[in-house]
Amino acid sequence: NAGVTQTPKFQVLKTGQSMTLQCAQDMNHEYMSWYRQDPGMGLRLIHYSVGAGITDQGEVPNGYNVSRSTTEDFPLRLLSAAPSQTSVYFCASRAGDHEQYFGPGTRLTVT
Amino acid sequence: EDQVTQSPEALRLQEGESSSLNCSYTVSGLRGLFWYRQDPGKGPEFLFTLYSAGEEKEKERLKATLTKKESFLHITAPKPEDSATYLCAVQVETGANNLFFGTGTRLTVIP
Repeated sequence: NAGVTQTPKFQVLKTGQSMTLQCAQDMNHEYMSWYRQDPGMGLRLIHYSVGAGITDQGEVPNGYNVSRSTTEDFPLRLLSAAPSQTSVYFCASRAGDHEQYFGPGTRLTVT
Repeated sequence: EDQVTQSPEALRLQEGESSSLNCSYTVSGLRGLFWYRQDPGKGPEFLFTLYSAGEEKEKERLKATLTKKESFLHITAPKPEDSATYLCAVQVETGANNLFFGTGTRLTVIP
């Protein structure tokens, strides 16, 4: 099992550009989520999904969109990148209420 | 409002010097408390889940305990390879039972 994979590992965007962060898991987990991690702020939940076709907002959803067309994939879209979205992004998945498994992260810089 | 507070922010220990990390929480309904380890540039790695006051879990030099208001991660005779950031997260009994994270304790063990 590859677990949770994320691409790309690093990305630099200009203000106003859009992009999609990819996340995939091969553990057949129903629940998937996206977090951002900023110094001194801890991990904050952006969006989550409890199954294919179902998504909902977390603590900091503004500026991000998600969709869940399959159990395996949960992409995160930045519609119009802003410097405030410079962060490290982590995708995670879990089965039921058990522990979450995290991907290796995407380091995004918006200039 | 649900809150998770970790202390200290940073801790430096000599190799073999035992200590404890604290995670205090205020939540409307606790479903579970999770401890993760995060190495620089990597995603969080799951360590323990605790579900009820009085519960304890152990793994090598680490032991996690839980009361009704806080959790402790005890590190016995730490080694340099235990250096990492330790994250605490609470799973709240609402909606999709999302995890909310503290800001972490950065542990450095000096040889």
